[in-house]
Amino acid sequence: DAGVIQSPRHEVTEMGQEVTLRCKPISGHDYLFWYRQTMMRGLELLIYFNNNVPIDDSGMPEDRFSAKMPNASFSTLKIQPSEPRDSAVYFCASGGASTDTQYFGPGTRLTVL
Amino acid sequence: GENVEQHPSTLSVQEGDSAVIKCTYSDSASNYFPWYKQELGKGPQLIIDIRSNVGEKKDQRIAVTLNKTAKHFSLHITETQPEDSAVYFCAADMDSNYQLIWGAGTKLIIKP
Repeated sequence: DAGVIQSPRHEVTEMGQEVTLRCKPISGHDYLFWYRQTMMRGLELLIYFNNNVPIDDSGMPEDRFSAKMPNASFSTLKIQPSEPRDSAVYFCASGGASTDTQYFGPGTRLTVL
Repeated sequence: GENVEQHPSTLSVQEGDSAVIKCTYSDSASNYFPWYKQELGKGPQLIIDIRSNVGEKKDQRIAVTLNKTAKHFSLHITETQPEDSAVYFCAADMDSNYQLIWGAGTKLIIKP
């Protein structure tokens, strides 16, 4: 298996622009997690899905952030409009119902100027 | 809510020596305790995990111990090597609902 795939790996954008991050989970996994990592706040869970349904989005910072999972093999995290404080590394992770283990993708490094 | 505290934030050890990282958790209902290693520019990767019905687990040079009464668990790395240099995260499950609560991370530096 190719593991969790994220794109793009790096994104540089200007304040006010829309940003879309993409994730393909490991085939057969029914849990998908979006995290944000910064030096100041560490690893923060933003939202997670089970069987494509959002279960807990209490970590989403504000209405500028939205996430979707239209099918079992694809999820997006969108920021609109983006702000400099959104600069961080965003990770997607997936897991299966038969295991508690979460498998992380390589991350997307977002820089908002 | 559930909280996981991790210490130390930075640990520097001589190559060949042992390293120990400690975590405490607050939710007595937690049953699953993984440890992840994050190398520069990569996502965290699971290196070992332990469940509440086990007190210790080993995998070659790494081991994890769990004390459910005291609500703490530790990662032990023996015979450290340069490739062990990374940031290590502990975590605990929350209400057994697949959500993990993460420690703040420990930067392990192996001195040659």
